[in-house]
Amino acid sequence: NAGVTQTPKFRVLKTGQSMTLLCAQDMNHEYMYWYRQDPGMGLRLIHYSVGEGTTAKGEVPDGYNVSRLKKQNFLLGLESAAPSQTSVYFCASRLNGELFFGEGSRLTVL
Amino acid sequence: AQSVSQHNHHVILSEAASLELGCNYSYGGTVNLFWYVQYPGQHLQLLLKYFSGDPLVKGIKGFEAEFIKSKFSFNLRKPSVQWSDTAEYFCAVEAGNMLTFGGGTRLMVKP
Repeated sequence: NAGVTQTPKFRVLKTGQSMTLLCAQDMNHEYMYWYRQDPGMGLRLIHYSVGEGTTAKGEVPDGYNVSRLKKQNFLLGLESAAPSQTSVYFCASRLNGELFFGEGSRLTVL
Repeated sequence: AQSVSQHNHHVILSEAASLELGCNYSYGGTVNLFWYVQYPGQHLQLLLKYFSGDPLVKGIKGFEAEFIKSKFSFNLRKPSVQWSDTAEYFCAVEAGNMLTFGGGTRLMVKP
């Protein structure tokens, strides 16, 4: 039972490049979330999903897209990376109000 | 949209000192409340949660929090901190399907 797994863990991009972060959970949870963590700003919700095939915008969705084609996977995409998207990204799944986090993906955009 | 404020960004304490971290939220409806902890180099873990009932909630590792509805507050407390409590602490409020986090409080406990 791996819990929540994020790949890749580290990535460096150039401005304008695209990439996808993958989040996989093996706990059969319906709800999944993508957050970004920046110093002094806590975690800010980017997008979330309440079940397979559904997605919704969070607090800071601009510049990101998501897909939830399979219940266990929640993908976060950056179509055209910008330096402001340099951050640590956390995926989480939820059960009974508790979030279960992945270990994070550190993204640097040059 | 709800917002969550954590008053102290950085707290430094000596071992055995008492801890209280403030958390206030702005949302008029029913909420669920959480405190999460992030130890250095690790992901967030749940410390405690409040859904309903007794407003004094006990969590893991000797932490507790009190929900005061009239003050929109959910402060975290521990009577005697240990060096191993050095971490960043996040308050979070859930309304509907969205869970909103505060900016975090970085706690350093000196041995």
